[in-house]
Amino acid sequence: GDSVTQMEGPVTLSEEAFLTINCTYTATGYPSLFWYVQYPGEGLQLLLKATKADDKGSNKGFEATYRKETTSFHLEKGSVQVSDSAVYFCALSASGYSTLTFGKGTMLLVSP
Amino acid sequence: NAGVTQTPKFQVLKTGQSMTLQCAQDMNHNSMYWYRQDPGMGLRLIYYSASEGTTDKGEVPNGYNVSRLNKREFSLRLESAAPSQTSVYFCASSYESGFSYNEQFFGPGTRLTVL
Repeated sequence: GDSVTQMEGPVTLSEEAFLTINCTYTATGYPSLFWYVQYPGEGLQLLLKATKADDKGSNKGFEATYRKETTSFHLEKGSVQVSDSAVYFCALSASGYSTLTFGKGTMLLVSP
Repeated sequence: NAGVTQTPKFQVLKTGQSMTLQCAQDMNHNSMYWYRQDPGMGLRLIYYSASEGTTDKGEVPNGYNVSRLNKREFSLRLESAAPSQTSVYFCASSYESGFSYNEQFFGPGTRLTVL
């Protein structure tokens, strides 16, 4: 079946550091890929998405590129802020289906 | 526009008790979902409803039932709660056209503890 693997956390960074959170997937066909963010005590919010190979999703300074050859969708940000501290989930939606398969989440902690 | 609302926010049950988690959305979405979130496990789909009048099992449906009461409301029922059902439960909704995938919007969650 479909699956998503994320790097384990927590990831601890200082403000203005560069962020990478790795995500790889296994799926048949051509899935859509997503990054969701969960701030403390809240539900999940869509951060960015990509629906086909080589697409780049971007939002709030975060970027991720859909790499079909490496089945990856790594999340990056050039300069993190304390307010970026949250749990980040990589997810996929298999072709023709609206349900999501999530990774286990990666906690990001940014210190001043 | 409240988005997705869930009640209650917190609940403590004893083993064997029953309860219903309520979810409502005001975005005119056709699809709704129930997930559970456990430490180190990410979110797992319990049940979903692609449209009013239909429900389908997700990855972890055992011990749960759902009702799509109308287009706005989708409830999750635990008939006989077990400690393994201690979790945070999230409801979500989306508009699905059948041609493209659209964003799922999540509620704030219900934190359930079963003693």
